[in-house]
Amino acid sequence: NAGVTQTPKFQVLKTGQSMTLQCAQDMNHNSMYWYRQDPGMGLRLIYYSASEGTTDKGEVPNGYNVSRLNKREFSLRLESAAPSQTSVYFCASEAPQWGRATDTQYFGPGTRLTVL
Amino acid sequence: DAKTTQPPSMDCAEGRAANLPCNHSTISGNEYVYWYRQIHSQGPQYIIHGLKNNETNEMASLIITEDRKSSTLILPHATLRDTAVYYCIVRVSRGSGGSNYKLTFGKGTLLTVNP
Repeated sequence: NAGVTQTPKFQVLKTGQSMTLQCAQDMNHNSMYWYRQDPGMGLRLIYYSASEGTTDKGEVPNGYNVSRLNKREFSLRLESAAPSQTSVYFCASEAPQWGRATDTQYFGPGTRLTVL
Repeated sequence: DAKTTQPPSMDCAEGRAANLPCNHSTISGNEYVYWYRQIHSQGPQYIIHGLKNNETNEMASLIITEDRKSSTLILPHATLRDTAVYYCIVRVSRGSGGSNYKLTFGKGTLLTVNP
């Protein structure tokens, strides 16, 4: 049981290049999330997927697209990278705790992206 | 979701209890209090959550005041590995019919455990 995995761990892009960040979870969770974290700041939600086949914008979606490929995988794409997208990107999946009607998010190790 | 206020930093001696406060004076009746922590360069880690009763698990205890306007996370015997940023978050549970699923992370409290 690997939990939440992310690839790549590090990436350097030039302005205007595109790339896709991959995220997968093996916990059979319905919901998945993409966050970004800038230096000295808390995490901000980019996009989320409440269930397979659905995606919704978070608070900072501009410049990103997502795909919920199946229940396990949720990818984040930068079509034309900009220096302002230099950040650490975290993927998370969410476990419902039905008995107590509360949910807990499990985070991946992050992707450190630098855009020059 | 309600806003939370935490001190920016705290120190604790190794082996002593670390008590991390959080104010959430505008919390609603259906909002839970969650605590996560982030050890340097790693993804956030869930610690504990509660609604109105005190909670304890293998990692920590959560004390919520009777009026629910504040809470305290207690690490009973802090170790050097507990040095991290601790985030207090309030959030409507999905079971309450909330549609906003995000966790709103503020700047948290940097807890430094000293030898």
